[in-house]
Amino acid sequence: GAGVSQSPRYKVAKRGQDVALRCDPISGHVSLFWYQQALGQGPEFLTYFQNEAQLDKSGLPSDRFFAERPEGSVSTLKIQRTQQEDSAVYLCASSLHREGTQYFGPGTRLLVL
Amino acid sequence: AQTVTQSQPEMSVQEAETVTLSCTYDTSESDYYLFWYKQPPSRQMILVIRQEAYKQQNATENRFSVNFQKAAKSFSLKISDSQLGDAAMYFCAYRSAGGSEKLVFGKGTKLTVNP
Repeated sequence: GAGVSQSPRYKVAKRGQDVALRCDPISGHVSLFWYQQALGQGPEFLTYFQNEAQLDKSGLPSDRFFAERPEGSVSTLKIQRTQQEDSAVYLCASSLHREGTQYFGPGTRLLVL
Repeated sequence: AQTVTQSQPEMSVQEAETVTLSCTYDTSESDYYLFWYKQPPSRQMILVIRQEAYKQQNATENRFSVNFQKAAKSFSLKISDSQLGDAAMYFCAYRSAGGSEKLVFGKGTKLTVNP
């Protein structure tokens, strides 16, 4: 596909479950970003990669959140022992290079019950 | 740390009219980028317009233009000849030119376009 894709689009989890969210960036894009968007709020930065290197993870809210991009393309955001406050839309974005525009995926809406 | 403030939670405009959305930001950096993103109800974020801080000329993209006032740290978006398809959440965002590539977003302005 031509754009950033994310899966699943919707995820319902019971409190305490682990979840994994996937992001497929635009082919050839070097940088990949994860953002968390709570209802009615702007997106907040979680972490980003340049190829397979995680250059900034300052936005990850706790050690329950973990992201990887082992081969420099697809990325997975994992949330362990989910809590109700983790309910949000998780957005992935990619850019071709450092100065490039970030293109966003449709997001994964996570609901923790 | 940089912050972005959008003081208008909601705005409305009549179709074919012009509307201006406000954005201010706080930074100690001299080189950076500013963006306006549009997020329709389907939630896919789309870039509307981008401005490099070193450029004095205001960016324009068809019906969309910005008023960039670097000294005042202001970055407003003007939408001319508003269309029904312009209805969406609009987010102002900041990115440093050096260091982390992350975007810092405001809380957004919900734009309603009335027929």
